[in-house]
Amino acid sequence: EVQLVVSGGGVIRPGGSLRLSCAASGFTFDDYHMTWVRQAPGKGLEWVSGITWNGGDTTYAESVRGRFTISRDNAKNSLFLQMNSLRTEDTAFYYCARQGSIASRQFDYWGQGTQVTVSS
Amino acid sequence: QSVLTQPPSVSGAPGQRVTISCTGSSSNIGAGYDVHWYQQLPGSAPKLLIYNNIKRPSGVPDRFSGSKSGTSASLAITGLQTEDEADYYCQSYDSSLSAVAFGGGTKLTVL
Repeated sequence: EVQLVVSGGGVIRPGGSLRLSCAASGFTFDDYHMTWVRQAPGKGLEWVSGITWNGGDTTYAESVRGRFTISRDNAKNSLFLQMNSLRTEDTAFYYCARQGSIASRQFDYWGQGTQVTVSS
Repeated sequence: QSVLTQPPSVSGAPGQRVTISCTGSSSNIGAGYDVHWYQQLPGSAPKLLIYNNIKRPSGVPDRFSGSKSGTSASLAITGLQTEDEADYYCQSYDSSLSAVAFGGGTKLTVL
């Protein structure tokens, strides 16, 4: 059974840093690209960042580029999101998801998510 | 403001058919990028409902179907059930943004 378990959320002051982790199991992790998606309170889904199967290519939404860094450790079946210079508008529920197909970019499995609250 | 436009809400009675539209442009749906649909039940993570415009993952009832034409796509739900009450999101890729794009979401109410 595919499982994605997200951890690392919390309450942080503006300007602070936080690192999210996503532990994967039930599939061959390094066969898949991975992504982070967030959802602000009462709002829709927003794609945040993606990483290729070997970590060789990373992409970011304009809203987080230069502040967030996605990475992965295939030996530990883990995905990460390092979030620096956090802003109040980064407050959201953060999901990790598996990209089911390289070509068409659908996200076929999602973690349960973790809440990140940026507040003074 | 998303590059993919969905109606904020739709509603229907049990047993009826509803459709949710997803309108894009020549840099996303119209450029040939696939459209995917997700269902998000209250308090839950999104779930893939339709991928590659028309395909259903294993376990998704055939009451759910997708279509795509030109710069738009649609999700149709037939035989509405109370458990279909959820938020629905379309997703594609936008070449102008060089990024994945989600629609703003549509709240389905089953009357």
